[in-house]
Order: sequence, then C-alpha cells, then structure tokens
Amino acid sequence: EVQVVESGGGLVQPGRSLRLSCTTSGFTFGGYAMSWFRQAPGKGLEWVGFIRSKTYGETTEYAASVKGRFTISRDDSQTIAYLQMNSLKTEDTAVYYCARYDTYWFDPWGQGTLVTVSS
Amino acid sequence: DIVMTQTPVSLSVTPGQPASISCKSTQSLLHSDGKTHLSWYLQRPGQPPQLLIYEVSNRFSGVPDSFSGSGSGTDFTLKISRVEAGDVGVYYCMQTVQVPLTLGQGTRLEIK
Repeated sequence: EVQVVESGGGLVQPGRSLRLSCTTSGFTFGGYAMSWFRQAPGKGLEWVGFIRSKTYGETTEYAASVKGRFTISRDDSQTIAYLQMNSLKTEDTAVYYCARYDTYWFDPWGQGTLVTVSS
Repeated sequence: DIVMTQTPVSLSVTPGQPASISCKSTQSLLHSDGKTHLSWYLQRPGQPPQLLIYEVSNRFSGVPDSFSGSGSGTDFTLKISRVEAGDVGVYYCMQTVQVPLTLGQGTRLEIK
C-alpha cells in the first residue's frame, strides 16, 4: 500500500524553526517528486512547494509566501521528504500535508501534521 | 500566477440529484506536452484531500463513475451524476501546468 505519513508538527514561537518529515512506503520513492501543502484553520488548501526526483536534479519550487524561509529536501535512502521551516510567522499556522507528485497530480496525501506558531 | 476560480462556493443537493462545479483559470492549462493539467480533489470532513480526476477527465482508481470531469483551455467542470451522502465535503480544482501551483478556493457540497 502506498503511504505517506507526516510528523514533526507542534507549537513553536514566532521566529523559531521547525522541521517536518514525510515518511513514505509502498512505492519507489526515488522516482517521484514530493510536495507539501498547507491548510490554515478554516481555510482552503495552499501549495507550499515541491522537490523533484534525483533524475531532475532534486530541484525545488516554492510558493512566494514561503520562499527564502522554507526548504524542502529528501533522503532517498530513507524514503523521507523534509520541510524545514525557518523564521516562522503566526500566519504559517496550518495543517501541513505531504503528497506524492505523480506526473501532474497528487496522490496519496498524508493525514497532515498541525503546526501552531504562537507566543 | 494563474488564478483558479470555483463556482458555486457552496451547494446543497438532494441525494440522487446531480451536482456541477465550475472551475475557471486565468490562463490556458494546456501544456506543451499536449495535455491539460487540471485535477480535482475532494476533502471529506476531517480528512486529507483525495484525488478524484486528473488531466481534466480521467477518473482516478477507485473513483465512482458518478464523477466526471470535462472542459478545456480555461473552463472546466466537475459533475456528479447522482449525489450520495459520502460525497459531502469540499471540492478543489488545481492547476499544475505552471509554478506556482494554484488551487480554487473550494466548493462545499452538503446534502439536503
């Protein structure tokens, strides 16, 4: 079964950092791009960014709202994708979802992990 | 950036009746590869999003044939031929033809 599971969320103060993990199983991780989305409380989905596979240089793309503060990386040996979040702001409070980027669509999605940025 | 606009924002449907959601983009979603990169997702209450439709009209594995997608260029539609209780949730369209990837604001479907 193809699965992605997020972890690492929690309560963090503004200006601090947090790293989320997306642990995967059931598919050839190295052959896929991986993406992060988020959903602020009561709001819609927002794309955060993605990392391409090694074949495409593990290059990354980000939304303007997080560019320069967030970094996506991957460890193909561990089949894990990461989202490093620095200089966190209160408006970064959201449930963060990881999803496999299959060609031009996203499946599966994880259950999400909640990040709360508050003093 | 490509802006995705969904209408209606919400709809209330009697079980067994059809439903239709429109999604319009500010630029064509036709890629140089000849495919149109528009997908639809359903987020049931308390659940993560799940893929319904990819490349405008292709039903994902396990999606009932009551769901169908159509459209081209900048104008797309998701139709449910017979709404069931399990179809309740928020529907999103997403374009993946260009970075930044963008989604519609969502359409909430409820049962009457």
